[in-house]
Amino acid sequence: RKEVEQDPGPFNVPEGATVAFNCTYSNSASQSFFWYRQDCRKEPKLLMSVYSSGNEDGRFTAQLNRASQYISLLIRDSKLSDSATYLCVVKILTGGGNKLTFGTGTQLKVEL
Amino acid sequence: NAGVTQTPKFRILKIGQSMTLQCTQDMNHNYMYWYRQDPGMGLKLIYYSVGAGITDKGEVPNGYNVSRSTTEDFPLRLELAAPSQTSVYFCASSYDEVPNIQYFGAGTRLSVL
Repeated sequence: RKEVEQDPGPFNVPEGATVAFNCTYSNSASQSFFWYRQDCRKEPKLLMSVYSSGNEDGRFTAQLNRASQYISLLIRDSKLSDSATYLCVVKILTGGGNKLTFGTGTQLKVEL
Repeated sequence: NAGVTQTPKFRILKIGQSMTLQCTQDMNHNYMYWYRQDPGMGLKLIYYSVGAGITDKGEVPNGYNVSRSTTEDFPLRLELAAPSQTSVYFCASSYDEVPNIQYFGAGTRLSVL
């Protein structure tokens, strides 16, 4: 089983739609969770951290479910500019220090 | 504000050639990382550094070497390029390990033919 698993998509949604992505992780010792955004042929950029109580940043809401070991990202009122790949990132404390594990990403295409 | 700068942006190598991918950051971050990203795959950690003079192997270090003589620079060396090293390479830095928010360079697209 992969350490971090995401549905690769693509998710094709119309502008204005609400879309949600899930990401599952296998290591129960995972400490921190993030969503990064990666535009085509560009570098990943932090979208938001995911807190235990859930958190919201404008149209974006992130949730963490430790019992089921998944995190989610909800995007409301999708914009064309939201089209990108969304990477789920999990931080695990190992004997060698902190380790970030990146998912393969979920591709979102927002259409007119 | 430059952030993390990588050079070159693109490079084509022949099998067996060597090259150095440059990475520099101006944010005074202690932690720096090298990743490779293959199509359809997540980023894989090659090497990382927690400060000047300290480096350590990541998940896929074979075929690569690094050095960290200054806080700002973290070059990645390919000694004998192989087709399996065709990939996009990203350098990243972070201020600390908690929460370890990483800032990435624009990437180097490398093809080994």
